[in-house]
Amino acid sequence: AQSVAQPEDQVNVAEGNPLTVKCTYSVSGNPYLFWYVQYPNRGLQFLLKYITGDNLVKGSYGFEAEFNKSQTSFHLKKPSALVSDSALYFCAVRDMNTNAGKSTFGDGTTLTVKP
Amino acid sequence: KAGVTQTPRYLIKTRGQQVTLSCSPISGHRSVSWYQQTPGQGLQFLFEYFSETQRNKGNFPGRFSGRQFSNSRSEMNVSTLELGDSALYLCASSLGTGSEQYFGPGTRLTVT
Repeated sequence: AQSVAQPEDQVNVAEGNPLTVKCTYSVSGNPYLFWYVQYPNRGLQFLLKYITGDNLVKGSYGFEAEFNKSQTSFHLKKPSALVSDSALYFCAVRDMNTNAGKSTFGDGTTLTVKP
Repeated sequence: KAGVTQTPRYLIKTRGQQVTLSCSPISGHRSVSWYQQTPGQGLQFLFEYFSETQRNKGNFPGRFSGRQFSNSRSEMNVSTLELGDSALYLCASSLGTGSEQYFGPGTRLTVT
């Protein structure tokens, strides 16, 4: 079975400070990992993904994430947070070897960036 | 390209009724997945279709079913509605397994 954990329901940061939203995963095979963002009254949008290759992946709006196989983590980061980054963030995983079409999502982390 | 569209956007049904939701994926996308989103349970995977075949199914009762047509459009059906089925139902399309998903705006289903 595959699973995703986002240990923090809420993350609060000040504008201009770096932000991290944590994600750990569990799969039996090799993972495909994704981050999505849901702004208020808007649909889920893709931010970035890790399939293979460089452990540091860069995505939309200045976000990046680091794949750490030994810690089974895929934390989302941004060097300098903006108030407009405030949203609900979801981490998702797919197992490359089994259930290839099934994505499992974390429960989401609400990011609040204060001016 | 046009995004993923879902119809209807809002729906109010009574317990015991059935409902059909529709999803049109992005042109060229052959994979369509359905999710149920609720405040308490987050995003729960319902099923995924690829080229008219159901490849994966989540842990939902048999009252939840779906299908995909040859043009990749998909429908999901919920029979014998229960109050607990009230949720936002999201459809997402993608090119394939390693590709990111593009989500529609969802159908807000309220069961009274």
